Amino acid sequence: QSVLTQPPSASGTPGQRVVISCAGGSSNIGSNIVNWYQQLPGAAPKVVIYSSIKRPSGVTDRFSGSKSGTSASLAISGLQSEDEADYFCATWDDSLRGHVFGTGTKVTVL
Amino acid sequence: QVTLRESGPALVKPTQTLTLTCTFSGFSLTINGMSVSWIRQPPGKALEWLARIDWDDDTYYTTSLKTRLTISKDTSKNQVILTMTNMDPVDTATYYCARIRRDGFNRYYFDYWGQGTLVTVSS
Repeated sequence: QSVLTQPPSASGTPGQRVVISCAGGSSNIGSNIVNWYQQLPGAAPKVVIYSSIKRPSGVTDRFSGSKSGTSASLAISGLQSEDEADYFCATWDDSLRGHVFGTGTKVTVL
Repeated sequence: QVTLRESGPALVKPTQTLTLTCTFSGFSLTINGMSVSWIRQPPGKALEWLARIDWDDDTYYTTSLKTRLTISKDTSKNQVILTMTNMDPVDTATYYCARIRRDGFNRYYFDYWGQGTLVTVSS
């Protein structure tokens, strides 16, 4: 029963652009930054976007993040087979006084 | 180089207490601004944040499990320990520890993760 809602799945063909949404509320996304994590099969999560729009060193610029109001998005441009993974948004919730994760989105490259 | 490694029992019985240890290197939890969290993931399901401990011993817990969780640290051993009481089969999950990095005031993200340890709860 996560407070952040993501679509269960998203897909695209190689080279396409895929956008994943993350819907929250005023006490979480509305008040704080959003981070995005990529989890490849059998691996630990890895941050691909932090502070809503920043990319860690070493992460491809095909990943970009945005935030507006109580929602955030992760865009993957030039989709590649290596992008096939689960993606989770996360933020801090001021009311819960804790970190929260999204429900997760499985990205499939067709 | 920052590394974290989780350790603990792979199998626990219902009602038992689980103790997990996160042993880390490449940073110190005595430094202002440092924090470590525990996060779990049931098979095929989403990530769930469990607890966090800060350099100054402040602790935070997920509301739904607060009465069952205790997080602590041993800075001399570079370890963070999580105990969870009254284990149930629904607690079967991969448990991760992760370092928290701060990107300004009230801006946090998990920048380094352990590889995770699978804990199965079964009689």
